[in-house]
Amino acid sequence: DAKTTQPPSMDCAEGRAANLPCNHSTISGNEYVYWYRQIHSQGPQYIIHGLKNNETNEMASLIITEDRKSSTLILPHATLRDTAVYYCIVRVYNFNKFYFGSGTKLNVKP
Amino acid sequence: KAGVTQTPRYLIKTRGQQVTLSCSPISGHRSVSWYQQTPGQGLQFLFEYFSETQRNKGNFPGRFSGRQFSNSRSEMNVSTLELGDSALYLCASSLADGAYNEQFFGPGTRLTVL
Repeated sequence: DAKTTQPPSMDCAEGRAANLPCNHSTISGNEYVYWYRQIHSQGPQYIIHGLKNNETNEMASLIITEDRKSSTLILPHATLRDTAVYYCIVRVYNFNKFYFGSGTKLNVKP
Repeated sequence: KAGVTQTPRYLIKTRGQQVTLSCSPISGHRSVSWYQQTPGQGLQFLFEYFSETQRNKGNFPGRFSGRQFSNSRSEMNVSTLELGDSALYLCASSLADGAYNEQFFGPGTRLTVL
């Protein structure tokens, strides 16, 4: 399974967009990109996922590069409650087996 | 709809003992996965059960085992506990296969081994 690389931490001002990058250069054609976040040792929370097209939902947008080797999670208007560890995961279709990696600790500051 | 529930939420054991953790998935979900989270190793996949069968397995020793019942509830067992087994154990459920079925995580069971 492909692995992911994320920066260990990022800061973002409250109300601004948070752009979290992820590198998955060895991703295969049948692997999806998933984003989860974990707030203060609670269970991880699903955010969004995609294969090759950009995706948007009520929480965030996911931008996947054309070669699929990297992606960016965008939180359009970060709030203090978005402070969490964000995990970028690649997942093989039909397999419920996630490799979480180290994640990015997003610090949203007032 | 109720979320994934895990019991107990906190547990303290001593080395050499065994422990059983329980997970009740979201109603209708047939897949249950288990993860171990430690500060040093992060979130690591243990195994997945689907329709009472272990379908995927991570790289953990045989002391870690699990099972799933006909109602999709799952249990995880760790025998001969070691200090390094102290961790947050997370359970996740999903409807079934497919990339469109995201995993929903429970709050976890915090296990401390003394």
